[in-house]
Amino acid sequence: EAGVAQSPRYKIIEKRQSVAFWCNPISGHATLYWYQQILGQGPKLLIQFQNNGVVDDSQLPKDRFSAERLKGVDSTLKIQPAKLEDSAVYLCASRNTGTADEKLFFGSGTQLSVL
Amino acid sequence: AQSVTQPDIHITVSEGASLELRCNYSYGATPYLFWYVQSPGQGLQLLLKYFSGDTLVQGIKGFEAEFKRSQSSFNLRKPSVHWSDAAEYFCAVALASGGSYIPTFGRGTSLIVHP
Repeated sequence: EAGVAQSPRYKIIEKRQSVAFWCNPISGHATLYWYQQILGQGPKLLIQFQNNGVVDDSQLPKDRFSAERLKGVDSTLKIQPAKLEDSAVYLCASRNTGTADEKLFFGSGTQLSVL
Repeated sequence: AQSVTQPDIHITVSEGASLELRCNYSYGATPYLFWYVQSPGQGLQLLLKYFSGDTLVQGIKGFEAEFKRSQSSFNLRKPSVHWSDAAEYFCAVALASGGSYIPTFGRGTSLIVHP
């Protein structure tokens, strides 16, 4: 079974630039999450999708972050403009909604450095 | 709001010694409980989970965890640690409500294994 794919693996940008991350969840997984993991901290939820609809984006800094999941499959997370404090690993996870198995499958993440 | 606390930032053990990582949660109801492991540069991998029933849960790689309702705890244990267990360990809690299921992670405990 293919896992959750994320790209790019690493990204270095200067503050005020824009950046986009891409996630391809496991085939058939209806629920998709984006997490932000700052060095030394646990992952923090940014947004949850159910198919192509947003379930929870209460912790997404909407003045600079945006996310979409067109067609309910792939998802992109964008930051515009980036700030120094956005330096973190951005993790994508998916889940097979509708089953008793509540396991999340995580991608390897995109490590963002904002200079 | 639900929260999860991992009081130990770092734990150092000798190879072959036993291990216990602490996790406490705060919420009125019993949430779903999880332990994840993250190796450097990797995504999170589920070790074990507790939904209901037997309070002693067995996981992968020889790990187990015990749910104690009276103490709101879900501590992770392993009787004999291997050098390959060195990693970051995250406790997570989640409540399923109205179709939304949002895991909340602790800040993590870094396990260091001495030969």
